[in-house]
Amino acid sequence: GDSVTQMEGPVTLSEEAFLTINCTYTATGYPSLFWYVQYPGEGLQLLLKATKADDKGSNKGFEATYRKETTSFHLEKGSVQVSDSAVYFCALSGLKTSYDKVIFGPGTSLSVIP
Amino acid sequence: EAGVVQSPRYKIIEKKQPVAFWCNPISGHNTLYWYRQNLGQGPELLIRYENEEAVDDSQLPKDRFSAERLKGVDSTLKIQPAELGDSAVYLCASSLDWDNTEAFFGQGTRLTVV
Repeated sequence: GDSVTQMEGPVTLSEEAFLTINCTYTATGYPSLFWYVQYPGEGLQLLLKATKADDKGSNKGFEATYRKETTSFHLEKGSVQVSDSAVYFCALSGLKTSYDKVIFGPGTSLSVIP
Repeated sequence: EAGVVQSPRYKIIEKKQPVAFWCNPISGHNTLYWYRQNLGQGPELLIRYENEEAVDDSQLPKDRFSAERLKGVDSTLKIQPAELGDSAVYLCASSLDWDNTEAFFGQGTRLTVV
């Protein structure tokens, strides 16, 4: 079935380090891809999205490019801050069936230390 | 504009007791989702509504879980009786329509069954 795989955490980085969180997916259709973020004590928030191949989603310095050939949607940020510490979820949706739903990966916990 | 509102935020109950969660989606959103998020994992879909119709409840444990969305707006999710393994965060989300794939999440209800 359709699924999302993420790199296992937790990931610990120093402030201003480069971040990559890998995400790959399996889907029979042409899904939209998302990154959601969950800050400590808060609900899920949409961070960025891409709806078709080669689209690049970006927000708050984070970027991810929809790569259909490698079925990937890796999250990157050039210089992380302490405030980026959170759990990041890769997700897909928009499958062309009547049972449209958001499918989440397991999440990757990021801790940024000063 | 108000986001998705859930209540209560936290609930502690003894096993075998009933519990109910309430969700008010974003105004005008026809699609409503209930997810369960276990500690350290991504959210998993329990049920999806299109207006007042449950169109995907394949993951809902129907022996003890029930949900309703009267008038296609607010929704309640009930567990009766609760078991220790039901301890999790229960998330409600809504989206504009079945083919609009961005889902907006509430803060969730953290349930602890003791």
